[in-house]
Amino acid sequence: NAGVTQTPKFRVLKTGQSMTLLCAQDMNHEYMYWYRQDPGMGLRLIHYSVGEGTTAKGEVPDGYNVSRLKKQNFLLGLESAAPSQTSVYFCASSPPGRRDNSPLHFGNGTRLTVT
Amino acid sequence: RKEVEQDPGPFNVPEGATVAFNCTYSNSASQSFFWYRQDCRKEPKLLMSVYSSGNEDGRFTAQLNRASQYISLLIRDSKLSDSATYLCVGYSSASKIIFGSGTRLSIRP
Repeated sequence: NAGVTQTPKFRVLKTGQSMTLLCAQDMNHEYMYWYRQDPGMGLRLIHYSVGEGTTAKGEVPDGYNVSRLKKQNFLLGLESAAPSQTSVYFCASSPPGRRDNSPLHFGNGTRLTVT
Repeated sequence: RKEVEQDPGPFNVPEGATVAFNCTYSNSASQSFFWYRQDCRKEPKLLMSVYSSGNEDGRFTAQLNRASQYISLLIRDSKLSDSATYLCVGYSSASKIIFGSGTRLSIRP
């Protein structure tokens, strides 16, 4: 099992450029999440999804969009990148059942720099 | 007040020592808590789940104190490989997953 796979692993963007981060999981998990992690800030939830075709805003959604067209994929888009979006992005998924009893499985992360 | 708070450390202890750190939470209705471990520039990985009265896994013991609203992680006979950041995770009243900022632990030879 590959678990949770994120692509790309690294990316450098110029201000105003757009990109899409891909997260794929092969564990048949219902729930998927996008987090960003900045030094001293901990993990902050950007958007999440409780199932195919559904998405919801997290703690810091501004400047990002997401889509969950297939159960196994969760896409994070930056329409117009800003230096404040320089961060490490983690995707995670959790198994079906009660969400508050299910631990998260994380991808390896994407390191994004916006210049 | 943050929903989940941790002492950022760093905790610097000698190999073989016992070390403990706490995580406080503000939502008294929170039911589930977890400890994750994160190595430098890597993804967080589940270390332990903490349910009801806590649990033990080898050298690691997690406790839940509902009266004082904190959970703790105890590491006995610490190894060099235990050096990492430990993240406390709880669930808010909106069933959102809330991460603490992490406690840095460094084990010295």
